[in-house]
Amino acid sequence: QVQLQESGPGLVKPSETLSLTCAVSGYSISSGYYWGWIRQSPGKGLEWIGSMYYSGSTYYDPSLKSRVTISVDTSKNQFSLKLSSVTAADTAVYYCGRGGGDYTPFDYWGQGTLVTVSS
Amino acid sequence: AIRMTQSPSSFSASTGDRVTITCRASQGISSYLAWYQQKPGKAPKLLIYAASTLQSGVPPRFSGSGSGTDFTLTISCLQSEDFATYYCQQYYSYPLTFGGGTKVEI
Repeated sequence: QVQLQESGPGLVKPSETLSLTCAVSGYSISSGYYWGWIRQSPGKGLEWIGSMYYSGSTYYDPSLKSRVTISVDTSKNQFSLKLSSVTAADTAVYYCGRGGGDYTPFDYWGQGTLVTVSS
Repeated sequence: AIRMTQSPSSFSASTGDRVTITCRASQGISSYLAWYQQKPGKAPKLLIYAASTLQSGVPPRFSGSGSGTDFTLTISCLQSEDFATYYCQQYYSYPLTFGGGTKVEI
């Protein structure tokens, strides 16, 4: 059973960098699939942030591309999100998921973690 | 970016109803269309992919159809556990995009 679990600070100050990690169990990231991040602002819809393949290919949403980095640590079977220069508009529930590349939907999701941007 | 438009944005229904939600893509996406169900406070759950293929474990009362730009999600006999918000998503090209959601209320 594939499971994903997000972790990271729930509160980030404006202009700082949001950092989250997604730990994967039940499947080896290096076995394949793309791995991605999706967010949902309070009361709003879903927004794709970016996806990456374990070997390093990455794709980002153009509106966030200048501030986003997704990376993978195959030794720990986890991948990470960094979003710089955050503002209140980045307050959201952040989900990690398997999929989002090579014509694959997101078939497994983490439970989500709320990140609030506030001083 | 491909824009995904869902309709309606919300509606009321009753247990046992047959309901249909539509999703339109701003350009052709072949059959690279997924449907998700989300309940309050929970992560989205994949229901259907490739426009019409039921994800493992999803009840057969859910079905999807369409290709190109127009797609539908149908729930043949609404159950109490189906009251939720439904999203479509295209995975044909980057950036990946979701529809705005359809909330199915009692």
